[in-house]
Amino acid sequence: DTGVSQDPRHKITKRGQNVTFRCDPISEHNRLYWYRQTLGQGPEFLTYFQNEAQLEKSRLLSDRFSAERPKGSFSTLEIQRTEQGDSAMYLCASSLGGNPYEQYFGPGTRLTVT
Amino acid sequence: LAKTTQPISMDSYEGQEVNITCSHNNIATNDYITWYQQFPSQGPRFIIQGYKTKVTNEVASLFIPADRKSSTLSLPRVSLSDTAVYYCLAVYGGATNKLIFGTGTLLAVQP
Repeated sequence: DTGVSQDPRHKITKRGQNVTFRCDPISEHNRLYWYRQTLGQGPEFLTYFQNEAQLEKSRLLSDRFSAERPKGSFSTLEIQRTEQGDSAMYLCASSLGGNPYEQYFGPGTRLTVT
Repeated sequence: LAKTTQPISMDSYEGQEVNITCSHNNIATNDYITWYQQFPSQGPRFIIQGYKTKVTNEVASLFIPADRKSSTLSLPRVSLSDTAVYYCLAVYGGATNKLIFGTGTLLAVQP
């Protein structure tokens, strides 16, 4: 257990529905990252927060995706109008600002869109 | 085009030393190279990071040549529990949105 938790662990939804995932980082970590991972691939960067500010977004993050970290603690990732291509593992990670690449990952949320 | 490449798989036996190399041309000059381990149905776990030359911790060593176009993760005396996928992570262009994980190397350790 790295100290980063994600909820839910699994989500099955029908195409067109909205889904929201939650990530609780290690409490003293000010940086929070979201990644997407498909089978047999490495994690793909989606977005990153420093405290409550969303500083960068990948072009992979279409308009249907939105992420928030309202109080600089937990974060949510919402996908609207889900598509089958959104099926993947969504990973959250956190790190201290002084060492952004030593990231601690949660167990992930596996999304299946039917 | 930023690309981080690794061998798809490697086989080893218990007690052997394993070296996994990652190629990362054109990485940012001021950022670390980081390696992670991932087991099925879990998130990646940090192993080691380095900037240049050699870094060693309690589980691994990391070798980075002067040109920083590649890096090699060395696992001494592997055991069955080291069977996992290993990823390198490099930064391109000095921007967080250029964090690019490698394709991953599946290490299979046999008794």
